[in-house]
Amino acid sequence: EIVLTQSPATLSLSPGERATLSCRASQSVSSKLAWYQQKPGQAPRLLIYDASNRATGIPARFSGSGSGTDFTLTISSLEPEDFAVYSCQQRGNWPPSFGQGTKVDIK
Amino acid sequence: QVQLQQWGAGLLKPSETLSLTCAVYGGSFSGYYWSWIRQPPGKGLEWIGEINHTGSTTYNPSLKSRVTISVDTSKNHFSLKLTSVTAADTAVYYCARGYCSSTTCYNLPEAVWGQGTTVTVSS
Repeated sequence: EIVLTQSPATLSLSPGERATLSCRASQSVSSKLAWYQQKPGQAPRLLIYDASNRATGIPARFSGSGSGTDFTLTISSLEPEDFAVYSCQQRGNWPPSFGQGTKVDIK
Repeated sequence: QVQLQQWGAGLLKPSETLSLTCAVYGGSFSGYYWSWIRQPPGKGLEWIGEINHTGSTTYNPSLKSRVTISVDTSKNHFSLKLTSVTAADTAVYYCARGYCSSTTCYNLPEAVWGQGTTVTVSS
């Protein structure tokens, strides 16, 4: 099973700042990498699929990049509703697997 | 807009069978992949398995010997059974529908999620 390592574990930022989150795979997953946002008590929300494609209805401030083993989620300017946990998921190798998450909290 | 509503027993004893059902409202069953995913307390998400509208299934090898996912298209339901549960199966369980791009629904992440069901395994 592919292991996804997310860093940092916690990112403390202020509204309006840029957030850069990393997801590293233990082996290549090509571009089959997705990003989710999850708030306490809620189900995950799909943000990005296939490394760089925004899912339907996702604001342009969310962007994804990378391929192979190294991926990045960027939030260009944090809005108050963006403070949450972000997880990556790979579907490049079976079975699909998730990272442990990066918490973006208010500084 | 499609919604998923899930239900099932929330408290089980070790060795019992977990059984959850997910109903699909406001959308078609056909063409999509339907998944079950769980999240143990304080931990990351774990993909359990998926089924498509024809009934073809794929399971996580770590759970394959204990998992069955089935679909009832006449009722727009799909279900999860996990046998011989232990405390390690304690988690929030989610049903979900796979994303479809403009060209395919194959091997894309889960985009529509149920509300989650907390399942606790305790003697």
